[in-house]
Amino acid sequence: DAGVIQSPRHEVTEMGQEVTLRCKPISGHNSLFWYRQTMMRGLELLIYFNNNVPIDDSGMPEDRFSAKMPNASFSTLKIQPSEPRDSAVYFCASSGKYSYEQYFGPGTRLTVT
Amino acid sequence: DQQVKQNSPSLSVQEGRISILNCDYTNSMFDYFLWYKKYPAEGPTFLISISSIKDKNEDGRFTVFLNKSAKHLSLHIVPSQPGDSAVYFCAAESGSARQLTFGSGTQLTVLP
Repeated sequence: DAGVIQSPRHEVTEMGQEVTLRCKPISGHNSLFWYRQTMMRGLELLIYFNNNVPIDDSGMPEDRFSAKMPNASFSTLKIQPSEPRDSAVYFCASSGKYSYEQYFGPGTRLTVT
Repeated sequence: DQQVKQNSPSLSVQEGRISILNCDYTNSMFDYFLWYKKYPAEGPTFLISISSIKDKNEDGRFTVFLNKSAKHLSLHIVPSQPGDSAVYFCAAESGSARQLTFGSGTQLTVLP
């Protein structure tokens, strides 16, 4: 049974470029979460979706960040334009309808030079 | 303002002994608590959880204790094994919000 799938696993890009991170949640899960992990701020929630609808995006740092969930099996997190301070590990997680537990993907390590 | 705090950044224990990881929270609206384990280059893995209506939950070598009056929870690992060496995150959720608030993590090292 596949867990949460994220791609790419590593991304190195130059400042000003657009970056798109992808996530496939566990089949049957109806909530999807995007997190960012940095040394300074730890694990912080960026946005979460319930039944493909964004519920809370208060953690999104600024307008350069956007997230979409066009269907139940796919979500993207886009940064445009990227900046060096966006360098972090980005995790996607999903959870089932009647469960509090969230299941995390392996993460995407983003480096913006 | 950190609502979930793990004040010990690291902990070392001998193999076979008990590991105790601590977590404090400030938000009285939290009603569900979880522990995650994280190895390098992997995502956090769900370990064990506890509802606020309970004070203890046990799963094999792992036991979580909740003291609501003190707003404190702890994870006990007995006996500790070298494979338990990882970063452990405490997380809390208020049911209506469906969002996890994470602590900063504790690096556990189990020495053979």
